[in-house]
Amino acid sequence: GESVGLHLPTLSVQEGDNSIINCAYSNSASDYFIWYKQESGKGPQFIIDIRSNMDKRQGQRVTVLLNKTVKHLSLQIAATQPGDSAVYFCAERGSGNQFYFGTGTSLTVIP
Amino acid sequence: DTEVTQTPKHLVMGMTNKKSLKCEQHMGHRAMYWYKQKAKKPPELMFVYSYEKLSINESVPSRFSPECPNSSLLNLHLHALQPEDSALYLCASSRPGTYWRSEQFFGPGTRLTVL
Repeated sequence: GESVGLHLPTLSVQEGDNSIINCAYSNSASDYFIWYKQESGKGPQFIIDIRSNMDKRQGQRVTVLLNKTVKHLSLQIAATQPGDSAVYFCAERGSGNQFYFGTGTSLTVIP
Repeated sequence: DTEVTQTPKHLVMGMTNKKSLKCEQHMGHRAMYWYKQKAKKPPELMFVYSYEKLSINESVPSRFSPECPNSSLLNLHLHALQPEDSALYLCASSRPGTYWRSEQFFGPGTRLTVL
Protein backbone atom coordinates (compact mmCIF):
# COMPACT_ATOMS: atom_id res chain seq x y z
CA GLY A 1 0.00 0.00 0.00
CA GLU A 2 0.90 3.64 0.05
CA SER A 3 3.10 5.10 2.73
CA VAL A 4 1.71 7.93 4.80
CA GLY A 5 3.65 8.87 7.88
CA LEU A 6 3.54 11.32 10.73
CA HIS A 7 6.50 13.20 12.11
CA LEU A 8 5.48 13.32 15.80
CA PRO A 9 3.89 10.35 17.55
CA THR A 10 2.86 12.36 20.65
CA LEU A 11 2.05 15.98 21.26
CA SER A 12 1.13 17.75 24.50
CA VAL A 13 -0.29 21.27 24.46
CA GLN A 14 -1.74 23.64 27.01
CA GLU A 15 -5.45 24.32 26.82
CA GLY A 16 -6.05 27.40 24.71
CA ASP A 17 -2.85 27.05 22.70
CA ASN A 18 -2.78 26.16 19.03
CA SER A 19 -1.79 22.64 17.95
CA ILE A 20 -0.04 21.61 14.78
CA ILE A 21 0.06 17.99 13.67
CA ASN A 22 2.17 17.02 10.67
CA CYS A 23 2.01 14.27 8.09
CA ALA A 24 4.26 13.20 5.22
CA TYR A 25 2.93 11.24 2.28
CA SER A 26 4.82 9.40 -0.41
CA ASN A 27 2.53 9.17 -3.44
CA SER A 28 2.65 12.37 -5.45
CA ALA A 29 -0.36 11.12 -7.44
CA SER A 30 -2.67 11.13 -4.42
CA ASP A 31 -5.54 13.50 -5.13
CA TYR A 32 -7.40 13.71 -1.84
CA PHE A 33 -6.47 13.77 1.83
CA ILE A 34 -8.44 13.51 5.05
CA TRP A 35 -7.69 14.17 8.69
CA TYR A 36 -9.42 11.93 11.22
CA LYS A 37 -9.76 12.07 14.99
CA GLN A 38 -10.06 8.84 16.91
CA GLU A 39 -11.06 8.75 20.54
CA SER A 40 -10.50 5.71 22.69
CA GLY A 41 -12.95 2.91 21.90
CA LYS A 42 -14.44 4.68 18.88
CA GLY A 43 -14.05 4.62 15.14
CA PRO A 44 -12.21 7.42 13.35
CA GLN A 45 -14.21 10.62 12.96
CA PHE A 46 -13.83 12.90 9.95
CA ILE A 47 -12.38 16.32 10.75
CA ILE A 48 -11.50 18.01 7.49
CA ASP A 49 -10.43 17.13 3.97
CA ILE A 50 -8.51 18.74 1.14
CA ARG A 51 -8.10 18.07 -2.54
CA SER A 52 -4.71 18.06 -4.20
CA ASN A 53 -5.50 21.21 -6.21
CA MET A 54 -5.87 23.20 -2.99
CA ASP A 55 -3.21 24.56 -0.61
CA LYS A 56 -5.39 25.32 2.37
CA ARG A 57 -8.82 24.60 3.70
CA GLN A 58 -10.43 25.89 6.85
CA GLY A 59 -13.11 24.52 9.06
CA GLN A 60 -14.35 25.39 12.49
CA ARG A 61 -11.15 25.83 14.58
CA VAL A 62 -9.23 23.58 12.19
CA THR A 63 -7.12 24.31 9.14
CA VAL A 64 -5.45 21.84 6.82
CA LEU A 65 -2.42 22.88 4.79
CA LEU A 66 -1.09 20.93 1.84
CA ASN A 67 2.39 21.37 0.41
CA LYS A 68 2.64 19.20 -2.69
CA THR A 69 6.23 20.20 -3.38
CA VAL A 70 7.47 18.40 -0.28
CA LYS A 71 4.48 16.07 0.04
CA HIS A 72 3.51 17.38 3.44
CA LEU A 73 0.16 17.82 5.15
CA SER A 74 -0.57 19.56 8.42
CA LEU A 75 -3.54 20.00 10.70
CA GLN A 76 -3.81 23.13 12.79
CA ILE A 77 -6.22 23.24 15.71
CA ALA A 78 -6.90 26.68 17.14
CA ALA A 79 -7.54 27.25 20.84
CA THR A 80 -7.10 23.58 21.70
CA GLN A 81 -9.60 22.23 24.20
CA PRO A 82 -9.52 19.15 26.46
CA GLY A 83 -12.08 17.53 24.16
CA ASP A 84 -9.50 17.64 21.39
CA SER A 85 -7.40 15.02 23.18
CA ALA A 86 -7.35 12.01 20.85
CA VAL A 87 -5.25 10.29 18.22
CA TYR A 88 -5.15 12.09 14.89
CA PHE A 89 -4.56 10.33 11.59
CA CYS A 90 -4.03 11.63 8.12
CA ALA A 91 -5.14 9.48 5.21
CA GLU A 92 -4.52 9.69 1.49
CA ARG A 93 -6.68 8.33 -1.27
CA GLY A 94 -5.20 5.97 -3.81
CA SER A 95 -6.29 5.52 -7.41
CA GLY A 96 -8.83 2.82 -6.55
CA ASN A 97 -10.71 4.87 -3.95
CA GLN A 98 -8.78 3.15 -1.18
CA PHE A 99 -7.46 5.14 1.74
CA TYR A 100 -4.16 4.64 3.49
CA PHE A 101 -3.61 5.94 6.99
CA GLY A 102 -0.55 7.49 8.55
CA THR A 103 0.90 6.24 11.83
CA GLY A 104 -1.04 8.66 14.03
CA THR A 105 -0.26 11.40 16.56
CA SER A 106 -1.59 11.24 20.09
CA LEU A 107 -2.64 14.73 21.20
CA THR A 108 -2.94 15.44 24.92
CA VAL A 109 -4.40 18.75 26.06
CA ILE A 110 -3.23 19.89 29.47
CA PRO A 111 -5.91 21.85 31.36
CA ASP B 1 -28.83 9.44 8.95
CA THR B 2 -25.02 9.65 8.91
CA GLU B 3 -24.40 6.54 10.94
CA VAL B 4 -22.58 3.33 10.18
CA THR B 5 -23.60 0.53 12.52
CA GLN B 6 -21.59 -2.57 13.29
CA THR B 7 -22.56 -5.74 15.11
CA PRO B 8 -21.53 -7.28 17.35
CA LYS B 9 -19.59 -4.76 19.44
CA HIS B 10 -17.47 -7.52 20.95
CA LEU B 11 -16.76 -11.04 19.75
CA VAL B 12 -14.72 -13.82 21.32
CA MET B 13 -14.13 -16.87 19.18
CA GLY B 14 -11.98 -19.97 19.11
CA MET B 15 -9.66 -20.81 16.27
CA THR B 16 -12.07 -23.42 14.88
CA ASN B 17 -15.18 -21.25 15.00
CA LYS B 18 -17.00 -19.58 12.13
CA LYS B 19 -18.45 -16.15 12.82
CA SER B 20 -19.54 -13.09 10.87
CA LEU B 21 -19.23 -9.35 11.40
CA LYS B 22 -21.97 -7.12 10.05
CA CYS B 23 -22.00 -3.53 8.90
CA GLU B 24 -24.90 -1.39 7.73
CA GLN B 25 -25.31 2.14 6.39
CA HIS B 26 -28.28 4.03 4.96
CA MET B 27 -26.52 7.04 3.50
CA GLY B 28 -26.72 5.77 -0.06
CA HIS B 29 -22.97 5.27 -0.17
CA ARG B 30 -21.81 2.93 -2.88
CA ALA B 31 -18.29 2.33 -1.52
CA MET B 32 -17.78 0.26 1.63
CA TYR B 33 -14.62 -0.79 3.39
CA TRP B 34 -13.23 -3.16 5.98
CA TYR B 35 -10.22 -2.14 8.07
CA LYS B 36 -8.29 -3.92 10.79
CA GLN B 37 -6.81 -1.89 13.62
CA LYS B 38 -4.38 -3.10 16.24
CA ALA B 39 -3.85 -1.20 19.47
CA LYS B 40 -1.95 2.08 19.02
CA LYS B 41 -1.73 1.52 15.26
CA PRO B 42 -3.52 3.09 12.31
CA PRO B 43 -6.37 1.31 10.55
CA GLU B 44 -5.10 -1.08 7.86
CA LEU B 45 -7.20 -1.42 4.76
CA MET B 46 -8.45 -4.96 4.08
CA PHE B 47 -11.18 -4.75 1.43
CA VAL B 48 -12.97 -2.18 -0.70
CA TYR B 49 -16.36 -2.71 -2.30
CA SER B 50 -17.50 -0.35 -5.02
CA TYR B 51 -21.08 -0.64 -6.27
CA GLU B 52 -21.38 -3.96 -4.44
CA LYS B 53 -18.40 -5.47 -6.23
CA LEU B 54 -15.09 -6.27 -4.58
CA SER B 55 -12.63 -3.81 -6.07
CA ILE B 56 -9.65 -4.10 -3.74
CA ASN B 57 -8.32 -6.96 -1.63
CA GLU B 58 -5.14 -5.95 0.16
CA SER B 59 -3.70 -9.48 0.12
CA VAL B 60 -5.86 -10.51 3.04
CA PRO B 61 -5.68 -14.20 4.07
CA SER B 62 -8.57 -16.33 2.85
CA ARG B 63 -9.74 -16.97 6.41
CA PHE B 64 -11.35 -13.53 6.02
CA SER B 65 -14.15 -13.55 3.46
CA PRO B 66 -16.05 -10.36 2.67
CA GLU B 67 -19.54 -10.18 1.25
CA CYS B 68 -21.68 -7.27 0.10
CA PRO B 69 -25.28 -8.57 -0.23
CA ASN B 70 -26.70 -5.16 -1.19
CA SER B 71 -25.77 -1.50 -1.23
CA SER B 72 -26.46 -1.06 2.50
CA LEU B 73 -24.87 -4.15 3.99
CA LEU B 74 -21.34 -5.44 4.31
CA ASN B 75 -20.33 -8.66 6.01
CA LEU B 76 -17.00 -10.13 6.99
CA HIS B 77 -17.03 -13.90 7.43
CA LEU B 78 -14.39 -15.33 9.71
CA HIS B 79 -13.12 -18.90 9.76
CA ALA B 80 -10.11 -20.59 11.31
CA LEU B 81 -8.68 -17.37 12.64
CA GLN B 82 -5.40 -17.08 14.52
CA PRO B 83 -4.80 -15.29 17.84
CA GLU B 84 -2.86 -12.59 15.95
CA ASP B 85 -6.11 -11.71 14.15
CA SER B 86 -7.42 -10.25 17.39
CA ALA B 87 -8.04 -6.57 16.68
CA LEU B 88 -10.68 -3.90 16.21
CA TYR B 89 -12.44 -4.38 12.88
CA LEU B 90 -13.79 -1.19 11.42
CA CYS B 91 -16.31 -0.75 8.66
CA ALA B 92 -16.59 2.47 6.69
CA SER B 93 -18.61 3.82 3.81
CA SER B 94 -18.24 6.71 1.39
CA ARG B 95 -19.41 8.05 -1.91
CA PRO B 96 -17.40 6.59 -4.78
CA GLY B 97 -14.09 8.18 -5.65
CA THR B 98 -15.53 9.94 -8.67
CA TYR B 99 -16.70 12.62 -6.24
CA TRP B 100 -13.89 14.88 -5.08
CA ARG B 101 -15.24 14.72 -1.55
CA SER B 102 -15.61 11.12 -0.59
CA GLU B 103 -14.98 11.25 3.13
CA GLN B 104 -15.41 7.96 4.88
CA PHE B 105 -17.86 7.48 7.69
CA PHE B 106 -16.72 4.87 10.17
CA GLY B 107 -18.66 2.58 12.42
CA PRO B 108 -17.63 2.05 16.06
CA GLY B 109 -15.95 -1.24 15.25
CA THR B 110 -16.12 -4.83 16.45
CA ARG B 111 -13.55 -5.79 19.07
CA LEU B 112 -12.52 -9.33 18.10
CA THR B 113 -10.61 -11.69 20.39
CA VAL B 114 -9.40 -15.02 19.03
CA LEU B 115 -8.52 -17.58 21.67
